[in-house]
Amino acid sequence: DGGITQSPKYLFRKEGQNVTLSCEQNLNHDAMYWYRQDPGQGLRLIYYSQIVNDFQKGDIAEGYSVSREKKESFPLTVTSAQKNPTAFYLCASSNPAGGLGGELFFGEGSRLTVL
Amino acid sequence: QKEVEQNSGPLSVPEGAIASLNCTYSDQGSQSFFWYRQYSGKSPELIMFIYSNGDKEDGRFTAQLNKASQYVSLLIRDSQPSDSATYLCAARDGNKLVFGAGTILRVKS
Repeated sequence: DGGITQSPKYLFRKEGQNVTLSCEQNLNHDAMYWYRQDPGQGLRLIYYSQIVNDFQKGDIAEGYSVSREKKESFPLTVTSAQKNPTAFYLCASSNPAGGLGGELFFGEGSRLTVL
Repeated sequence: QKEVEQNSGPLSVPEGAIASLNCTYSDQGSQSFFWYRQYSGKSPELIMFIYSNGDKEDGRFTAQLNKASQYVSLLIRDSQPSDSATYLCAARDGNKLVFGAGTILRVKS
């Protein structure tokens, strides 16, 4: 079945550690996104990529890094520089359609907790 | 900073009633708007999107867009307890979506 797979679903990190969240899609979508969600808040954009080997910072990119070496994959690394990384991380993909439509399809999310 | 505003709720409605969820956006240039439903601990699911002024209906759901007032709404007819969730409104900003904080809906049986 087509979809977006995020792993791990739950992750615990000690302070000072880098962790990488995986996101793989088989929808043949060009664009991929990482959002962060905190309790009671909406989704905030971390990074996005419209094409392989290119990506742009979102609104809260500090302390995060990404790569887009393959169309299907868009991993997110949460570095030790991210001061408050405990959150629900959502990966999404889309096929933008001339500015109209182009809805996002989401993975099941990864919940990161800093111990 | 382009913004999407929603009342956080909770909005409580009795089973069978119409639930009305509202959203305003700051960017007059936004062309497309999306409603997602998110159950607790789960990822958002698309309900529908709209880009023309007026109403768009899909089953029990109707999205309404008024670009002059920069206002989007979602009506849920014959609300069911299974509709209890957080509803996220989003506006397209170029190649990305800007999300509101969501409105919690509770449907009481």
